[in-house]
Amino acid sequence: AQSVTQPDIHITVSEGASLELRCNYSYGATPYLFWYVQSPGQGLQLLLKYFSGDTLVQGIKGFEAEFKRSQSSFNLRKPSVHWSDAAEYFCLCSSASKIIFGSGTRLSIRP
Amino acid sequence: DARVTQTPRHKVTEMGQEVTMRCQPILGHNTVFWYRQTMMQGLELLAYFRNRAPLDDSGMPKDRFSAEMPDATLATLKIQPSEPRDSAVYFCASGLNTRFSSTDTQYFGPGTRLTVL
Repeated sequence: AQSVTQPDIHITVSEGASLELRCNYSYGATPYLFWYVQSPGQGLQLLLKYFSGDTLVQGIKGFEAEFKRSQSSFNLRKPSVHWSDAAEYFCLCSSASKIIFGSGTRLSIRP
Repeated sequence: DARVTQTPRHKVTEMGQEVTMRCQPILGHNTVFWYRQTMMQGLELLAYFRNRAPLDDSGMPKDRFSAEMPDATLATLKIQPSEPRDSAVYFCASGLNTRFSSTDTQYFGPGTRLTVL
């Protein structure tokens, strides 16, 4: 069955530290992959997306993600987090017939 | 700055009442999605439309939920009768689908927070 897993429910990092949020998917073929961010009380905003081509994609707010087919992963990274990055992050996989969000990772920033 | 709008932003109602949530997608977008977000279940896709036709509503409880697009500028999600377990935030999103992808970027509205007492 198709699935999206975000294994970390909650992560706390210090301001200025690097960040990696994990996303693993299970699909029959390479899906389209997205990362969204949700600030408290807000809707979701697209950070970046991968359809094909270069496996390292750059997004907004200094985020990047790398698609690794061999590991079925699409992890989100940021070299130095800011307090304003505190939010919930969702990985999304879609194909011709399915749209599945991961369960989300809540990011807290330690001053 | 084009954005998806949703009304109402908050709704409190009593069990058994009808609830209608509205969504205005971004002008020119041909795909509209309805999601429900709860603490327990996370984000669930309820239904989505392309060019106003329903493509998938398998995530929606058919006995009480209905989704329609009367025209290209309005999508509605109706619950009748409402139950306490329907309490959640309901998000609408719109996007522009190309022939090469089932879904490109989704632009989310601010959501409708529904409380059913």
